[in-house]
Amino acid sequence: SQQGEEDPQALSIQEGENATMNCSYKTSINNLQWYRQNSGRGLVHLILIRSNEREKHSGRLRVTLDTSKKSSSLLITASRAADTASYFCATAVRDNFNKFYFGSGTKLNVKP
Amino acid sequence: GAGVSQSPSNKVTEKGKDVELRCDPISGHTALYWYRQSLGQGLEFLIYFQGNSAPDKSGLPSDRFSAERTGGSVSTLTIQRTQQEDSAVYLCASSLRHIGASGRAGQYNEQFFGPGTRLTVL
Repeated sequence: SQQGEEDPQALSIQEGENATMNCSYKTSINNLQWYRQNSGRGLVHLILIRSNEREKHSGRLRVTLDTSKKSSSLLITASRAADTASYFCATAVRDNFNKFYFGSGTKLNVKP
Repeated sequence: GAGVSQSPSNKVTEKGKDVELRCDPISGHTALYWYRQSLGQGLEFLIYFQGNSAPDKSGLPSDRFSAERTGGSVSTLTIQRTQQEDSAVYLCASSLRHIGASGRAGQYNEQFFGPGTRLTVL
């Protein structure tokens, strides 16, 4: 399988704490994207990091990419109850940018 | 502007019946994707359209599944002779630009997702 796999599968933290989720993949990629999903419905794009980038920031989000280890991490700082959702990484495979492989996701629960 | 819309939002059908799911992408988005998500699982890629053509149908689970896109806009996913294992949320996404196999640095392929259709096969 060429899927990205997120770790941990579930994460429960207190509001204000940081949340870190990891994603591992198997093949060379063009880019890696993180998405958020509420209530098992549509996904919302959070951030995209290209294979030649190592770190990217967007508001309270920080994404890192280590292509040598084929892994990425998503850090949410100062978490809020509203951050409670499932988070997925999606990899765009280098030779086929039109197919995306999604992992099974990390379920984040931020307790108020 | 309007986002990606899907209809119906929920569909309950009996085993053996055919169902048709519809996706309206964001206007101007040339790429359209269908995914399937079973309960508590990740997204399973089904098919991708660039304009009206589907260069990659490799994710379709069986020949009971088909999809088409007309006018470079609306797409329909048809499941014939539905089975209970077809029960899932079917998600559609569109994106602004096609990234070719040769690729170009800096091109952007964020996907915008619809709310999904929850299909239940009894």
